[in-house]
Amino acid sequence: QKEVEQNSGPLSVPEGAIASLNCTYSDRGSQSFFWYRQYSGKSPELIMSIYSNGDKEDGRFTAQLNKASQYVSLLIRDSQPSDSATYLCALEGGGTSYGKLTFGQGTILTVHP
Amino acid sequence: DVKVTQSSRYLVKRTGEKVFLECVQDMDHENMFWYRQDPGLGLRLIYFSYDVKMKEKGDIPEGYSVSREKKERFSLILESASTNQTSMYLCASTGFSYEQYFGPGTRLTVT
Repeated sequence: QKEVEQNSGPLSVPEGAIASLNCTYSDRGSQSFFWYRQYSGKSPELIMSIYSNGDKEDGRFTAQLNKASQYVSLLIRDSQPSDSATYLCALEGGGTSYGKLTFGQGTILTVHP
Repeated sequence: DVKVTQSSRYLVKRTGEKVFLECVQDMDHENMFWYRQDPGLGLRLIYFSYDVKMKEKGDIPEGYSVSREKKERFSLILESASTNQTSMYLCASTGFSYEQYFGPGTRLTVT
């Protein structure tokens, strides 16, 4: 059984700060990793995908993957109140999984002015 | 842009009714998924499909069935709705990169 662990938060950061969201996983066979943002009452929105060790940057977002330590993180630079949402970590295990993802429970992020 | 649409944003049904939730994607994706999301329980996979007429049970298939007659359309069926099926239902599809794209969701209330 694949497991994905996230700190549920809430994580509160001031506007303009860096928000750091972390995720650990148990399945060493996991190959693909994703971060989703979900606003209250809305559906999850894909914001980052990462497939190899290291950092991947997209605008204010940086995803970091360390397969040896089995963690993936998301950094949000210059945090804005509009970044306040639940962030879901997800991973895909490879093989014949048909693209099934295992999701963490999510971390609630609050960015206060 | 990937577009996943769901037939209703809000739905209210009575206990015992048969309920159909429709999902359509326009990206020619092979795989489609149905989840439900409840506070404190996260996203739970109900069923998924990896090809037309092919389906697999997810983690919580009891009380549900699915249909995939065309590649772009994946339907979730509640055979006899019960109050414990009140939830947010989310459809998703994925292509070769395994990036899942979600529809807007259907908030179903069963009274």
